[in-house]
Amino acid sequence: AQSVTQLGSHVSVSEGALVLLRCNYSSSVPPYLFWYVQYPNQGLQLLLKYTSAATLVKGINGFEAEFKKSETSFHLTKPSAHMSDAAEYFCAVSDPQQGAQKLVFGQGTRLTINP
Amino acid sequence: DGGITQSPKYLFRKEGQNVTLSCEQNLNHDAMYWYRQDPGQGLRLIYYSQIVNDFQKGDIAEGYSVSREKKESFPLTVTSAQKNPTAFYLCASSLHRNTGELFFGEGSRLTVL
Repeated sequence: AQSVTQLGSHVSVSEGALVLLRCNYSSSVPPYLFWYVQYPNQGLQLLLKYTSAATLVKGINGFEAEFKKSETSFHLTKPSAHMSDAAEYFCAVSDPQQGAQKLVFGQGTRLTINP
Repeated sequence: DGGITQSPKYLFRKEGQNVTLSCEQNLNHDAMYWYRQDPGQGLRLIYYSQIVNDFQKGDIAEGYSVSREKKESFPLTVTSAQKNPTAFYLCASSLHRNTGELFFGEGSRLTVL
């Protein structure tokens, strides 16, 4: 079975500051990992994904995440926050053998950007 | 532009009424999914379909029904048996047996009065 834990349901940073959203996973097999972003009253959009290639993954809007097997983590970072980054972010894990029907989402982290 | 269209975006219904939410995609994806989103609970899978005329229950299928008569369409019916139907419903699609990358619609917010 797989699970995802996102540490912190709410994170607040100042504009221009570093963004760090934490995600830890549990998986009995080498996982695929994802970060999705959701703006208010909209669907989710894929930010980036790890599928067993490079451990440092770059995504859209200047975000990146690093897969650390020893720490079972996949934290999302952005060097400098922008007001438009305010949204809810979801980490997700899947079993590569089973595909999207077994995708497990974390509970989400709401990111607020202070001017 | 290719994408997923959900309708209606907002829906109000009285308790005891069945409601059908529409989901149409023009991405030529084989697989489609319905998720329910409640505050602080992430996304939970209701039903999914990998091919036409076939679908499987997800984690919270009780009180819901679906059909997949066309590749492009995957409507969800919220029945009167669903005890707490007020939620945000998200439809998604993906390539068959893909890595877990989903494409989402903009969602339908159902409020039962």
